[in-house]
Amino acid sequence: GAVVSQHPSWVICKSGTSVKIECRSLDFQATTMFWYRQFPKQSLMLMATSNEGSKATYEQGVEKDKFLINHASLTLSTLTVTSAHPEDSSFYICSARDQTGDIQYFGAGTRLSVL
Amino acid sequence: DAKTTQPNSMESNEEEPVHLPCNHSTISGTDYIHWYRQLPSQGPEYVIHGLTSNVNNRMASLAIAEDRKSSTLILHRATLRDAAVYYCILSVYSGGGADGLTFGKGTHLIIQP
Repeated sequence: GAVVSQHPSWVICKSGTSVKIECRSLDFQATTMFWYRQFPKQSLMLMATSNEGSKATYEQGVEKDKFLINHASLTLSTLTVTSAHPEDSSFYICSARDQTGDIQYFGAGTRLSVL
Repeated sequence: DAKTTQPNSMESNEEEPVHLPCNHSTISGTDYIHWYRQLPSQGPEYVIHGLTSNVNNRMASLAIAEDRKSSTLILHRATLRDAAVYYCILSVYSGGGADGLTFGKGTHLIIQP
């Protein structure tokens, strides 16, 4: 299957700082990427849909000014958690939709811990 | 969003077939049935998807009921590496492909050696 690389795999930061997470599709072009969040022992929750060259679409309850998404190329989407607080600590996972439109390939996730 | 219902957990023996059920009685005519699985501390992995007909790929088979209100994921010969949480998801398509996925609680599959 196709490969999606997510970086970093884990990050620890101080409260009030910003953290950027990168999601790259390595062997295919992805017009559409998605960002999910998963709290311990819970299921994944969709945060936003990222389309190349346009503004992201955020799910209800997700603050767009806090979770900045940029999808400037067909192989890269970034999620920036601004002014992070301990309650933002979570497992953030991206996915890239393949060119058939049917399948999402997921990154390995980024574990964010905010102190 | 249409909802799916799966057993919380299932247990099977290595090298035996595994049948993972999923109920989706409120499925609409255009919803696709997708299955993904997630190993601990990893991102989900695509398994299989279908609309109306049964589907086979190298990982699994998907059997879809004639009324589409239920489906079964079949792992033909389970290995220890198949131990994961399996998610049955109804996928809505728009804008050129499947929308973002709504994950339920899934089925935790335990494989005994």
